[in-house]
Amino acid sequence: GAVVSQHPSWVICKSGTSVKIECRSLDFQATTMFWYRQFPKQSLMLMATSNEGSKATYEQGVEKDKFLINHASLTLSTLTVTSAHPEDSSFYICSAPQGPSYEQYFGPGTRLTVT
Amino acid sequence: QQQVKQSPQSLIVQKGGISIINCAYENTAFDYFPWYQQFPGKGPALLIAIRPDVSEKKEGRFTISFNKSAKQFSLHIMDSQPGDSATYFCAARNRATGGFKTIFGAGTRLFVKA
Repeated sequence: GAVVSQHPSWVICKSGTSVKIECRSLDFQATTMFWYRQFPKQSLMLMATSNEGSKATYEQGVEKDKFLINHASLTLSTLTVTSAHPEDSSFYICSAPQGPSYEQYFGPGTRLTVT
Repeated sequence: QQQVKQSPQSLIVQKGGISIINCAYENTAFDYFPWYQQFPGKGPALLIAIRPDVSEKKEGRFTISFNKSAKQFSLHIMDSQPGDSATYFCAARNRATGGFKTIFGAGTRLFVKA
């Protein structure tokens, strides 16, 4: 089956610093990847669509300058949270579509805590 | 019109019982309806999915029932087990206009009592 990994699985950073989260498709190529954030006991909120070789598409209300997305290759997308603040603390999850029905395969998530 | 409404918010079921989670949608252009299972601290995993030209799909203990005219679909978990305790999300997608974007329901937290 399709496997998506994320790194790191958890990270703690200080307010004002930047943190990078990697999303990799391990056994398939992904021209498109999605980034979600999930608050405790809530649903997944789509932040942006990452497109290999072109700019990411951000959902309404998501600050593109704060959440920088780079889809550098067919197997890697990165999300950089710039100048992080405590309110950015959340569970960040990426996904990539694969298969005849383009099912979403999710990474294991990254827990970000900003102190 | 892009929403997917899911109920109940939480559900407690005895071991061996049937767990039923319901979802409703408005956008008749949705053409793919997956269900995801998420354990605490993990990413969601695809459980089962259905297309609107099919009224029911069964995979093991998991069954999706789909009512196109009512714009509703539901997940049935037969012989529920404590290991099924997780959060379940229904979802919908419209390839024609939304590409691969998936709209998620609010989630149902299922607890199966041993």
